[in-house]
Amino acid sequence: GDSVTQMEGPVTLSEEAFLTINCTYTATGYPSLFWYVQYPGEGLQLLLKATKADDKGSNKGFEATYRKETTSFHLEKGSVQVSDSAVYFCALRDSSYKLIFGSGTRLLVRP
Amino acid sequence: GAVVSQHPSWVICKSGTSVKIECRSLDFQATTMFWYRQFPKQSLMLMATSNEGSKATYEQGVEKDKFLINHASLTLSTLTVTSAHPEDSSFYICSVINGGGSSYEQYFGPGTRLTVT
Repeated sequence: GDSVTQMEGPVTLSEEAFLTINCTYTATGYPSLFWYVQYPGEGLQLLLKATKADDKGSNKGFEATYRKETTSFHLEKGSVQVSDSAVYFCALRDSSYKLIFGSGTRLLVRP
Repeated sequence: GAVVSQHPSWVICKSGTSVKIECRSLDFQATTMFWYRQFPKQSLMLMATSNEGSKATYEQGVEKDKFLINHASLTLSTLTVTSAHPEDSSFYICSVINGGGSSYEQYFGPGTRLTVT
């Protein structure tokens, strides 16, 4: 079945460092891809999405490009802030509207 | 502001008792809600799809008699964990969907942490 694999955390960075969180997927069709963020004590929030190959999703300085040839959707940010500390989930949505999540990557940004 | 609320946010119960968790859609009517379970340091696993006015659809391996779902109105779905056991201890998250097609959006509640002693 469809699945999502993302890098294990925690990822610890200093403020203003470059961030990459890897995400790859396996799907039989052409899924939409998502990054969700979960801040401490809060629910998951949609960070960005891409619905077809070569689309780039972006929000709050974060970017991810839907790469069909490598089945990847890596999350990047050029300069992280302490406020970006959270758990990040990569996910795909199949044709039935179900979301399939990766295991989550905890990001800790130190001042 | 919050789009989805859950109550309670944290509950401890004794083994053998039942616990009810509420999920409310605050901003719009939701014909479909989802219930997820999240183990520590693991992904969210879809448990069931809750449809207003009809029976829930459970994912493979989820016991429907143990995890009772009632979607009684367009803004409320409840998950009841019956005869809870310590292995049911987990983080339960609901979500609602709004829109359709390319404008589909899924909103998540803050979660309910269940501890069974």
